[in-house]
Amino acid sequence: DARVTQTPRHKVTEMGQEVTMRCQPILGHNTVFWYRQTMMQGLELLAYFRNRAPLDDSGMPKDRFSAEMPDATLATLKIQPSEPRDSAVYFCASSVTVNTEAFFGQGTRLTVV
Amino acid sequence: AQTVTQSQPEMSVQEAETVTLSCTYDTSENNYYLFWYKQPPSRQMILVIRQEAYKQQNATENRFSVNFQKAAKSFSLKISDSQLGDTAMYFCAFFGVSTPLVFGKGTRLSVIA
Repeated sequence: DARVTQTPRHKVTEMGQEVTMRCQPILGHNTVFWYRQTMMQGLELLAYFRNRAPLDDSGMPKDRFSAEMPDATLATLKIQPSEPRDSAVYFCASSVTVNTEAFFGQGTRLTVV
Repeated sequence: AQTVTQSQPEMSVQEAETVTLSCTYDTSENNYYLFWYKQPPSRQMILVIRQEAYKQQNATENRFSVNFQKAAKSFSLKISDSQLGDTAMYFCAFFGVSTPLVFGKGTRLSVIA
């Protein structure tokens, strides 16, 4: 049963700490997305990769956020230092290629206190 | 930049009735896909239906159908015979050749018994 796997499912951390969220895309999918979901902003695209290369990360605060794909089976989203306003649900999604259905992970609910 | 607009933040419908959710988008691309995703309280993002822009025929999946008006850049979702399990947030999304998957703000649908 192919699925996108995100870890951790929940994370509570103190302001100023580093947070790393991980995503395992579906095998064979060459496009990976990171989204942030909040009540006010909805689903915001933070970054996306195609064939492990970052194509667009304009939605991401560059001073504290970074996204990478060390290999085809792992995507990471890091926040350093974290702030209370980063509290949100972070989703990873993958698709076979452009214009095809994106499959979502179950999200990481991040709370920064 | 591509934008997706859902003008109805909340809607409600009686069980077994029909409801239509609106979505408009803005793009200069000619080849793209449109999607409706459902997000129940579990927060899992589930694909409901997809439409290829080059297809004139409206997509249908069981009780779900779309009204795709390419010239008007409109993509509404019709849910027939509404069921309690249809209660969820519904997101309209656009995916172009040169545009990553972007979402509208969502419509919260409540099905009332």
